Amino acid sequence: QQPVQSPQAVILREGEDAVINCSSSKALYSVHWYRQKHGEAPVFLMILLKGGEQKGHDKISASFNEKKQQSSLYLTASQLSYSGTYFCGTVTTDSWGKLQFGAGTQVVVTP
Amino acid sequence: DTAVSQTPKYLVTQMGNDKSIKCEQNLGHDTMYWYKQDSKKFLKIMFSYNNKELIINETVPNRFSPKSPDKAHLNLHINSLELGDSAVYFCASSPGASHYEQYFGPGTRLTVT
Repeated sequence: QQPVQSPQAVILREGEDAVINCSSSKALYSVHWYRQKHGEAPVFLMILLKGGEQKGHDKISASFNEKKQQSSLYLTASQLSYSGTYFCGTVTTDSWGKLQFGAGTQVVVTP
Repeated sequence: DTAVSQTPKYLVTQMGNDKSIKCEQNLGHDTMYWYKQDSKKFLKIMFSYNNKELIINETVPNRFSPKSPDKAHLNLHINSLELGDSAVYFCASSPGASHYEQYFGPGTRLTVT
């Protein structure tokens, strides 16, 4: 079962922050975040494993709350290059090897 | 050097035809995947191979048949194409399954008329 992402879309001005949430109804083994720009392939951002860790990639970071089966992606001081569709992908503990993607969150950063 | 490549990039064909999409990765990865992205951008896994063995086979019509001749290649053959098969098909690879990053190919836009 695919994870649920929110919001569906967000519009930011350069320099503003945003949070994208991802939640699963099943116990998670890992959470993956990808960004896809229009007409291009998804690009890997980061992966979070069981253990509640937080990771960062430039000014983009993510957290993983294993107990709540949720992850959040934080876009800090957004840049124009952050525009794109962000997908969270989850691997549940009963479905090893199968990465299921959420519906995506479209992010538009304006000057 | 392209890490994950797919051919062709665009494919326009008529209903009922049979077509193939090829994928190659030069990253030395063990696991390869096929994903379908529909017009609403929903990205859904179709198949996964690990060291040439099929490990994931989602509920996909049996008109779709993947083939992995070796670890670096994963092809997708589609028989009797239907209008609903129109989508972008992405190939991806990763060092292993589940907790490794996946590298996606550029995609093949399939249009069935």
